[in-house]
Amino acid sequence: KQEVTQIPAALSVPEGENLVLNCSFTDSAIYNLQWFRQDPGKGLTSLLLIQSSQREQTSGRLNASLDKSSGRSTLYIAASQPGDSATYLCAAPPQGGGFQKLVFGTGTRLLVSP
Amino acid sequence: EPEVTQTPSHQVTQMGQEVILRCVPISNHLYFYWYRQILGQKVEFLVSFYNNEISEKSEIFDDQFSVERPDGSNFTLKIRSTKLEDSAMYFCASSRFSDLWGAFFGQGTRLTVV
Repeated sequence: KQEVTQIPAALSVPEGENLVLNCSFTDSAIYNLQWFRQDPGKGLTSLLLIQSSQREQTSGRLNASLDKSSGRSTLYIAASQPGDSATYLCAAPPQGGGFQKLVFGTGTRLLVSP
Repeated sequence: EPEVTQTPSHQVTQMGQEVILRCVPISNHLYFYWYRQILGQKVEFLVSFYNNEISEKSEIFDDQFSVERPDGSNFTLKIRSTKLEDSAMYFCASSRFSDLWGAFFGQGTRLTVV
């Protein structure tokens, strides 16, 4: 059974810092891994999708890496801004791959202070 | 940019009543999903739907739940007799293909059962 964990659970940083959010998954036979952003009481915004054949994916100040062999993904945020404050979730398909359902981590709650 | 839209954004209902949550997936997507998030907990998979039938469902998705694609654009989740513990944010998602593409989520419907 696929299990996804994220550390840290919460992170508070001053504006301008570079930071790394971690995601671990137990079953490495995945087709892809997605990172989402969730603002309080709001929906899920897809940030980055990394295919299993890729090692990293970049969008603006965000960079996500994937290491299937170790069951880890990281989300790197460069030059953080107060607007980056949100909960960041990673999600992976279930054991055995496929995409019938995503398994989500509990998220990292990020606060960037001005 | 195409998006998944959900209505209503917030629904309050009395225990025992039936509710229907509505979603309009992205138009060329083939796979549709419902997830829920109880306050303070992980996002959990409920059901996936493809080719006009359920392709997978979780243990949460019992007989009180049903899904339907009544026409070419809408995808609905019906909860027949709501319980207090059904209070949650319900997310609809869609994807183009099952494995290689990411899921796009709607902004959610907050269901409050009183």
